[in-house]
Amino acid sequence: GDSVTQMEGPVTLSEEAFLTINCTYTATGYPSLFWYVQYPGEGLQLLLKATKADDKGSNKGFEATYRKETTSFHLEKGSVQVSDSAVYFCALSQAAGNKLTFGGGTRVLVKP
Amino acid sequence: EPEVTQTPSHQVTQMGQEVILRCVPISNHLYFYWYRQILGQKVEFLVSFYNNEISEKSEIFDDQFSVERPDGSNFTLKIRSTKLEDSAMYFCASRTAMTNEKLFFGSGTQLSVL
Repeated sequence: GDSVTQMEGPVTLSEEAFLTINCTYTATGYPSLFWYVQYPGEGLQLLLKATKADDKGSNKGFEATYRKETTSFHLEKGSVQVSDSAVYFCALSQAAGNKLTFGGGTRVLVKP
Repeated sequence: EPEVTQTPSHQVTQMGQEVILRCVPISNHLYFYWYRQILGQKVEFLVSFYNNEISEKSEIFDDQFSVERPDGSNFTLKIRSTKLEDSAMYFCASRTAMTNEKLFFGSGTQLSVL
């Protein structure tokens, strides 16, 4: 079946540092790929998505590119802020509206 | 931005007891979901619900689980006889049309089975 693997955390960074969270997937066909973020005490929120190969999703300074050849969707941000401290989840779905398959989540802590 | 609301935020129950987890999806949403996350593990899909019936369910969603939309605004998950391994964070989610892939999640209910 489909699966998503992402790097384990926690990842601890200083403010303005570069953030990368690796995500790879195993799936048949051409799934849509997502990054969700969960801030403390809140639900998961869609951060960005990409629906086909070579698409780049971006939002709030975060970017991720759908790489079919490496089955990856790594999340990057050039300069993190304390407010980016959260848990980040990589996920895929096989069709619009279908269930999401999540990775294990990566906790990111940004220190001032 | 509109929110999905889940109550309670924490629920403690004894093994074998029935629990009902409640969710109020966003008002114009048509598709509803339950996911759960056992501590230290991945977020797992449980069930999807549309037009007053289950559209898909996972292997986890056995006969002990049921979902209901009793009054057009609430969406509930019932566990008939809880087991220790049901202890997890349960997330409700909703969305509008099938072509809109953005899922709105609630903040979760932490269920502890003792």
